[in-house]
Amino acid sequence: AQSVTQPDIHITVSEGASLELRCNYSYGATPYLFWYVQSPGQGLQLLLKYFSGDTLVQGIKGFEAEFKRSQSSFNLRKPSVHWSDAAEYFCAVGPSGSARQLTFGSGTQLTVLP
Amino acid sequence: DVKVTQSSRYLVKRTGEKVFLECVQDMDHENMFWYRQDPGLGLRLIYFSYDVKMKEKGDIPEGYSVSREKKERFSLILESASTNQTSMYLCASSLLHDGYTFGSGTRLTVV
Repeated sequence: AQSVTQPDIHITVSEGASLELRCNYSYGATPYLFWYVQSPGQGLQLLLKYFSGDTLVQGIKGFEAEFKRSQSSFNLRKPSVHWSDAAEYFCAVGPSGSARQLTFGSGTQLTVLP
Repeated sequence: DVKVTQSSRYLVKRTGEKVFLECVQDMDHENMFWYRQDPGLGLRLIYFSYDVKMKEKGDIPEGYSVSREKKERFSLILESASTNQTSMYLCASSLLHDGYTFGSGTRLTVV
């Protein structure tokens, strides 16, 4: 069965510092991988996705992620964090099942210090 | 801009009431999903549908049912609301290669 692990429940960084959020997955074939962001009280917004090809993918809001098959990882990065990046971040893998469901990680809460 | 619209942002209902949460998407997506989100538990799949009138149970279907009479609409029904169903409910739709598009969520409080 597929699974996603986000080892860090909560991360705190200072504004302007670099950021890396970790995601490890378990999947039987070549996965599709996603990162979503959720601001307080809102739904989830897609940041970026990986299907195939270049293992470094660019997303919205200056985020990027790198797929490393050997490490079963898809870590999210940003070179310089802004206060508005404070949110919860979810990694997801899929698809599988009759409706091509995704499996989500438990999320990482990001706090940005001024 | 494509959208998934959830009819209510906030709802307060009484224990024992029948509650309807509505979700409409304008993207002609086949697949639609209902999740609930609780602190420390992440997103848990309640029900999903891959076609009109088709539905399947997710991980936590107890106390819920769904209806999909039209492709664009997927309704979640709480047959008899209980306080442990107080939660944030998220609807999503998808095509195979595009991941999910989520609605803004409905925060339901059952008193």
